[in-house]
Amino acid sequence: EIVLRQLPVTLSVSPGERVTLFCRASRSISRNLAWYRQKPGQAPRLLIYGASTRATGVPARFSGSGSGTEFTFTISSLQSDDFAVYYCQQYDNWPLTFGGGTKVEIK
Amino acid sequence: EVQLVQSGAEVKKPGESLKISCKGSGYTFTSYWIGWVRQMPGKGLEWVAIMYPGDSEIRYSPSFQGHVTISADKSISTAYLQWSSLKAPDAAMYYCVRVFGSALMWFDYWGQGTLVTVSS
Repeated sequence: EIVLRQLPVTLSVSPGERVTLFCRASRSISRNLAWYRQKPGQAPRLLIYGASTRATGVPARFSGSGSGTEFTFTISSLQSDDFAVYYCQQYDNWPLTFGGGTKVEIK
Repeated sequence: EVQLVQSGAEVKKPGESLKISCKGSGYTFTSYWIGWVRQMPGKGLEWVAIMYPGDSEIRYSPSFQGHVTISADKSISTAYLQWSSLKAPDAAMYYCVRVFGSALMWFDYWGQGTLVTVSS
């Protein structure tokens, strides 16, 4: 099973700041990685797939990069809507697995 | 508009059976894999199982294989997740997900969630 480690676990940020989250895979997953945002009390929403492709309707302030075992997810200017938990998910190997999440909270 | 509408919250006792549902609309139900993701209270996301309604192919996470059963009724575009004997650790929010892709799979649409409470 591929283990995804997300860092940091928690991040305190002010609105308008740039945020970068990290996801590390236990072995290479090529670019087969997705990112999701889960706002409190809501279901997750797909933001990025293929490591860097924004899903339909996702604002341009969200971006992803990386390949192999190291991936980053960036929010260029944090909006109030973005205070949430972010998860990465790999789909290179079975079983499909998620990282433990990064909580982005208000500073 | 793609929608996944799940059945309501359930309160069950350990040992009881349960079947929760997810109705898909706004897309061709038999052309996409559909599945379930678990989120235990205050915890992260865990993939449970997926199914292709077109040919009934199923894949389970090893962590859940043998403990849950995924099924679908394509005549009413509805997927199900069932337990024959609930245990306390089954208490969680269960999200229905539509899968994008066939060989490489991610979850492009999510239902609103079904909260399962297991308590004696």
